[in-house]
Amino acid sequence: GNSVTQMEGPVTLSEEAFLTINCTYTATGYPSLFWYVQYPGEGLQLLLKATKADDKGSNKGFEATYRKETTSFHLEKGSVQVSDSAVYFCALRKNAGGTSYGKLTFGQGTILTVHP
Amino acid sequence: EAGVAQSPRYKIIEKRQSVAFWCNPISGHATLYWYQQILGQGPKLLIQFQNNGVVDDSQLPKDRFSAERLKGVDSTLKIQPAKLEDSAVYLCASRSAWDRGPEQYFGPGTRLTVT
Repeated sequence: GNSVTQMEGPVTLSEEAFLTINCTYTATGYPSLFWYVQYPGEGLQLLLKATKADDKGSNKGFEATYRKETTSFHLEKGSVQVSDSAVYFCALRKNAGGTSYGKLTFGQGTILTVHP
Repeated sequence: EAGVAQSPRYKIIEKRQSVAFWCNPISGHATLYWYQQILGQGPKLLIQFQNNGVVDDSQLPKDRFSAERLKGVDSTLKIQPAKLEDSAVYLCASRSAWDRGPEQYFGPGTRLTVT
């Protein structure tokens, strides 16, 4: 079945440091890939997405590239801020049709803490 | 546009008691999802509705969990009786049937603690 594996956390960085959170996936076919973010006390928010191989999703300074050859979708940001402190989830969605269209499969999440 | 609403935000119950959660999706969204997020894990889909019909409940523990979506709008998720391992955040999400894109909108969740 489909699965998503994220790097172990938590990740602690100083402000302006470079961020990488690794994500790899296992899926049949050609899934869409996502990064969701969960700020303290809030619900999940879509951060960025990519729907086909070699697509790059970007938002708020974060980027991730859909790499089919390595089945990866690593999240990067060149200079993190204290306000980026949150839990980040990598997820995939199967694109084939059928009744489960739209179902998201999530990784376990990575806690990011950014210190001033 | 109002987001996905959930209530209550927090609930503490003893094991073997019953509990119910409520979700009001974004207006016009035909697809509704309930996810269970155990501490330290990613959300796991429990059940998916299309309008008021169930399209995926393969991971719903049907001996104790039930869900309904009357009239294809609001939904309730019930646990009866609760077990300690049901302690988790229960997330509701919705998506428009007309938008074939990937966007799912999540509510703030209900944090359940079973003691």
